[in-house]
Amino acid sequence: DAKTTQPPSMDCAEGRAANLPCNHSTISGNEYVYWYRQIHSQGPQYIIHGLKNNETNEMASLIITEDRKSSTLILPHATLRDTAVYYCISTDEDYGGATNKLIFGTGTLLAVQP
Amino acid sequence: DGGITQSPKYLFRKEGQNVTLSCEQNLNHDAMYWYRQDPGQGLRLIYYSQIVNDFQKGDIAEGYSVSREKKESFPLTVTSAQKNPTAFYLCASSFGTGVTNQPQHFGDGTRLSIL
Repeated sequence: DAKTTQPPSMDCAEGRAANLPCNHSTISGNEYVYWYRQIHSQGPQYIIHGLKNNETNEMASLIITEDRKSSTLILPHATLRDTAVYYCISTDEDYGGATNKLIFGTGTLLAVQP
Repeated sequence: DGGITQSPKYLFRKEGQNVTLSCEQNLNHDAMYWYRQDPGQGLRLIYYSQIVNDFQKGDIAEGYSVSREKKESFPLTVTSAQKNPTAFYLCASSFGTGVTNQPQHFGDGTRLSIL
C-alpha cells in the first residue's frame, strides 16, 4: 500500500503557483520523499526529492515539515504543460535499502486552467 | 542523448503467447526496474535488478520473467501464465544499490494489449 496520501485532484490558474500537498505520517527517518509527474501515456518524470531539508531545482521546490509528516511541492509559475498526475512517493525500507523501491499511490491530477 | 529506450511502444499478444518487452539504457545505471500500470492506478513493481546477472521479484512477479545479461539491457517477458497482461509497462533505472537517495528515471513505456 502507498505510504503517502494526496488529494485526488487540484486546479491552478496559469501563471500562478501550484502547491501540491502530501501526507507521509508513517515515513521513517531515512526514507526520502520523491515527487514525479506523469503526463498521459508517458513515463513518469522525476521532479525532485528530499530527506528533511527544503530543496529547490529548476523545476520546483519541495518544502518538508520539521516533523517530516508532510510535504508540499511548489511549481512557482504553472503553465498548461504542467497539467499531469503528480505522485508523492516514499521509498520502502522492506527492501532493506537494497534498491530504491518506490511505492506509487494514485497521485494528484493537477489541471492548469488558462 | 542519454536515456531509457523501451520498445515497442505498442504490442499485441495472442492468447497463449509469450511476448518480450525491450528496455535499454545508456545512463550507466546499475539498477533497473519493471513496473506495471493499470488505468487510473499507480505503478506496481514487477522485477528489479541491482547488478548484471542478478534480479529479484517485486510485488507482482507471477507470470513474468526477466534477464540481466548486460548492464544496459533488462528485457521483460510476459508469459502465457499472466492471465491479465493488458497494461502499460514501464522500465526504469537508477544509480546506486544499497542507497535510497538516487532517483529512478523512466522510459516512455510499452502498452500491451490482448487480441
